Amino acid sequence: ETGVTQTPRHLVMGMTNKKSLKCEQHLGHNAMYWYKQSAKKPLELMFVYNFKEQTENNSVPSRFSPECPNSSHLFLHLHTLQPEDSALYLCASSQDRAGSYNEQFFGPGTRLTVL
Amino acid sequence: DAKTTQPNSMESNEEEPVHLPCNHSTISGTDYIHWYRQLPSQGPEYVIHGLTSNVNNRMASLAIAEDRKSSTLILHRATLRDAAVYYCILRSQGGSEKLVFGKGTKLTVNP
Repeated sequence: ETGVTQTPRHLVMGMTNKKSLKCEQHLGHNAMYWYKQSAKKPLELMFVYNFKEQTENNSVPSRFSPECPNSSHLFLHLHTLQPEDSALYLCASSQDRAGSYNEQFFGPGTRLTVL
Repeated sequence: DAKTTQPNSMESNEEEPVHLPCNHSTISGTDYIHWYRQLPSQGPEYVIHGLTSNVNNRMASLAIAEDRKSSTLILHRATLRDAAVYYCILRSQGGSEKLVFGKGTKLTVNP
């Protein structure tokens, strides 16, 4: 596997379910991100992790809980979601070298539907 | 983050050049101009970035106005594979790693 992978690619869940999205990067990067892309809205940054530490939470509701056990893996734990949380969830990573431009590499996303 | 303005959509014919404009009149001296694109059913991918001088890479060219209040992404010969939403994003040098996406320009390439 190369680049950034996300599983599952599609997920349908009820509002009372608990599920997790997984992201893995094979690029040796130190920073990882979760973005949300709703229909007809711009991509919204949700969380940023640098060297496994959360450095940004963009006012995301607590029903979304991120976890970064190491620099290669990022999870998004979901519980008691609402139908309006249905969206494409994208993971990205970057090198995070100080003083230089760090291109972000995106995964293909998980298409989430909340019933 | 400073704001960018792009047309909602543009059309081009295959094998013709495409010029995608972006206005960023409130750009600051330390803001880099980045372009990403998102092909259908995929995550965004990096295209190019620049600060003051025009930039070229294998994917595209970036022309930056002298006053830096606007820029143009140039695809020299559009292919059907270039049909995507193109995002122009400003990011401050040394600032947060995050990207703030707008609505972008949806490019349609006609065969």
